[in-house]
Amino acid sequence: AQRVTQPEKLLSVFKGAPVELKCNYSYSGSPELFWYVQYSRQRLQLLLRHISRESIKGFTADLNKGETSFHLKKPFAQEEDSAMYYCAPAMNRDDKIIFGKGTRLHILP
Amino acid sequence: GAVVSQHPSRVICKSGTSVKIECRSLDFQATTMFWYRQFPKQSLMLMATSNEGSKATYEQGVEKDKFLINHASLTLSTLTVTSAHPEDSSFYICSARNPGQGKIGGYTFGSGTRLTVV
Repeated sequence: AQRVTQPEKLLSVFKGAPVELKCNYSYSGSPELFWYVQYSRQRLQLLLRHISRESIKGFTADLNKGETSFHLKKPFAQEEDSAMYYCAPAMNRDDKIIFGKGTRLHILP
Repeated sequence: GAVVSQHPSRVICKSGTSVKIECRSLDFQATTMFWYRQFPKQSLMLMATSNEGSKATYEQGVEKDKFLINHASLTLSTLTVTSAHPEDSSFYICSARNPGQGKIGGYTFGSGTRLTVV
């Protein structure tokens, strides 16, 4: 069965410290992987996707097929990074995106 | 960029009545739209995939007769919660795929609808 796991419900990190939000997936085939972010009182928005290998707002994510992981990282956390982060895989064949349970990132001053 | 408008943003209705939620793609044609439900402090749960001109595909456990989806045009999908009950109270979010942005990745989300059934 398709499954995505974000083990941390809440992650508190001091400003300036490194951030790593974990995501593991269990999918048959090769899904496309995304990270979505939801800031307070705003709609869900795409943060990055693995196929473009881009860095948005200092965040990067490397797809590790061996470990079936797609962890989100940022070397130096900023207060404006406080938000809900969702790891979301999608299969090409049906295009639907399934969301993980999400991790709330709280940046401490 | 691609914009998805969802209306209404909030609605309160009485038990037993029906409520319609609209999802519009404003500057692109969306052949596929998705409807999600989000409970407080929980993740988004996919309810169904709405395909223009054909029947929606519902996820397991979602009652198709209760959550009616219509995707009659390339810019509009509607979700109707029929005979609403308090347990249907939730945050409903739509998403549209912009085919102009490639096969995967061009997803834009609406701002959501907070439904409260009293």
